Amino acid sequence: DTEVTQTPKHLVMGMTNKKSLKCEQHMGHRAMYWYKQKAKKPPELMFVYSYEKLSINESVPSRFSPECPNSSLLNLHLHALQPEDSALYLCASSRPGQDNSPLHFGNGTRLTVT
Amino acid sequence: AQSVTQLGSHVSVSEGALVLLRCNYSSSVPPYLFWYVQYPNQGLQLLLKYTSAATLVKGINGFEAEFKKSETSFHLTKPSAHMSDAAEYFCAVSAPSNAGNMLTFGGGTRLMVKP
Repeated sequence: DTEVTQTPKHLVMGMTNKKSLKCEQHMGHRAMYWYKQKAKKPPELMFVYSYEKLSINESVPSRFSPECPNSSLLNLHLHALQPEDSALYLCASSRPGQDNSPLHFGNGTRLTVT
Repeated sequence: AQSVTQLGSHVSVSEGALVLLRCNYSSSVPPYLFWYVQYPNQGLQLLLKYTSAATLVKGINGFEAEFKKSETSFHLTKPSAHMSDAAEYFCAVSAPSNAGNMLTFGGGTRLMVKP
C-alpha cells in the first residue's frame, strides 16, 4: 500500500471545467511535490512545497494552481486545461534538507482533457 | 547541473536470466542516486538509494546497484529475472536543499521478461 494517497484515480474534464486533484500523506514529511508524466516519458517536476510554502515553480502555466492547506495535504487546481495537458499527475513527499531522503510517490491521477 | 542517462530504452531478458539496467550520472559533487520502478498504471516505487556508506547497495525484490565513481555509473542488477519484474525503471539524481529534494530522472528503461 502506498503511503501517499491521491484522489481521484481517473479524471476526465472538458477544457472549460474546473477540477482539483488531491494528495495526502501522514509520514510527517514537510516537502511535497507535483510531477507530470506523459506516456513513455519520465516524470517532470511542476511544483515543490517546503514547510507549506511554494518553493519551486518550474514555469508551469497558470491554468495549474497548487495549494498546500497544511503539512499533510496538497491540492492541484485545474482550470481551462488543454488536451495536451492530459497525463498522469503524480504527488510525492519527502523530508526536505541536506540528506538523501527519497521521494515517496502516490499512484497518480490519470487526467484526460477533452 | 546534475543529470543521469539511462542506456537502452528497452531491455528484454528471459525469465531466470541476469538483469542489467545501465545508468550513468553527471555531477560535480558526490551525487544522491536512486532507482525507482513503475508498474503499469501505478506511481513510482523506490527500489534502492545510494549512500556514501557502501558502494554496493541492496534494494527490494532482489535488486542491487553498484556505485562506481571512476565510471560515473550506478547500474542496476538482479541475478535472476522474474515475470513480475516487467516494468519501467528510472534512475534519478537528487539535488537536496531546504526547498525540497528535486529529483531529475533518466529517460527510463522498459524491462520485458520473456517466459
